[in-house]
Amino acid sequence: SQQGEEDPQALSIQEGENATMNCSYKTSINNLQWYRQNSGRGLVHLILIRSNEREKHSGRLRVTLDTSKKSSSLLITASRAADTASYFCATDSHSNDYKLSFGAGTTVTVRA
Amino acid sequence: GAGVSQSPSNKVTEKGKDVELRCDPISGHTALYWYRQSLGQGLEFLIYFQGNSAPDKSGLPSDRFSAERTGGSVSTLTIQRTQQEDSAVYLCASSLVVLQGSPLHFGNGTRLTVT
Repeated sequence: SQQGEEDPQALSIQEGENATMNCSYKTSINNLQWYRQNSGRGLVHLILIRSNEREKHSGRLRVTLDTSKKSSSLLITASRAADTASYFCATDSHSNDYKLSFGAGTTVTVRA
Repeated sequence: GAGVSQSPSNKVTEKGKDVELRCDPISGHTALYWYRQSLGQGLEFLIYFQGNSAPDKSGLPSDRFSAERTGGSVSTLTIQRTQQEDSAVYLCASSLVVLQGSPLHFGNGTRLTVT
């Protein structure tokens, strides 16, 4: 069963704008990861945030984690056409630290 | 190789036939995972390997599915007597170790179509 659920399902923005997507999960986690998938390709790891962290940055990416609300957000600043992709959150759990559970993803389209 | 390699990239087969999907992980990665992705869906965990052993096979959808890994490297996912509902993209991933938070490195997948 899927642990994480992304919201919105789809997002269309203009180049240069920021894109924000959210992930909610059901059970306690150790870590939450975000991945990107370009059409027809595999997933690429973007960033990991641990359960004791609240915010993390990597380049134009900013991830927040609120364990009390069981939610995370991914912000892409100053978006580019190359950011067009599907974005997935993935969570592990205390009982299965090897198994990442993925949501259905947010499809982001960046218009030039 | 530089990344995880999967073959074939596309496979069309008739219902009832057997198929084999291959995964070459990144050299030195001890953990290997198989996921299935249906159109517009998230990833469904199938199985993982630590070395050559598969401690958790609970994700395999039915006994028509099996997987093996030899030499701590190449893995093969076999689907016997394929059904139309098996149509999906099968993704393989590897990671350096099986530890909490180890990022997964994915291949580009095998798109399986059962007609």
